[in-house]
Amino acid sequence: AQKITQTQPGMFVQEKEAVTLDCTYDTSDPSYGLFWYKQPSSGEMIFLIYQGSYDQQNATEGRYSLNFQKARKSANLVISASQLGDSAMYFCAMREVYNTDKLIFGTGTRLQVFP
Amino acid sequence: EPEVTQTPSHQVTQMGQEVILRCVPISNHLYFYWYRQILGQKVEFLVSFYNNEISEKSEIFDDQFSVERPDGSNFTLKIRSTKLEDSAMYFCASTSGGELFFGEGSRLTVL
Repeated sequence: AQKITQTQPGMFVQEKEAVTLDCTYDTSDPSYGLFWYKQPSSGEMIFLIYQGSYDQQNATEGRYSLNFQKARKSANLVISASQLGDSAMYFCAMREVYNTDKLIFGTGTRLQVFP
Repeated sequence: EPEVTQTPSHQVTQMGQEVILRCVPISNHLYFYWYRQILGQKVEFLVSFYNNEISEKSEIFDDQFSVERPDGSNFTLKIRSTKLEDSAMYFCASTSGGELFFGEGSRLTVL
């Protein structure tokens, strides 16, 4: 069964600093995708970044990068140059390719960016 | 930019009443989902829908729940007889195979 673990319920970071949000996963499917979503206080789910299990390079999208360590089954999100607007809940999620078509979410990390 | 739209944004209902939550997925997407999020908790999978039938459902998705795609655009979630514990934000999502695109959610409050 697939499983996503986010061990940091909350994180604080100062504006303009970088922050890493941790995510580990467990799956028996050799092919899977890893996703990060942002949920601001308004409630919507915003897609940030995707990493495929066979991708050789770490995914990057602007200030977001995914530190993918396949052997350790970790997919940490790195936000560089934090902004006040980055304050939100962040969810790591995984989707197996062969066993299921659903996306399974971790419990989330609440990030607070302070001036 | 195409988006997933959900109605209503907020619904208040009495316990035992039927509720229908509506979603219009992105038009060329083939996979559709409902998720729910109880306040302050994780986002939980309810059901996935592909090729006009349920492809997978969670243990939460019991006989009180049903989904339908009555026409080419709408995707509905029906809760037959609501319970207090059904109070949550319900998200519809769709995808063509990559990331899921979520609607803004429908907040259901059961009194």
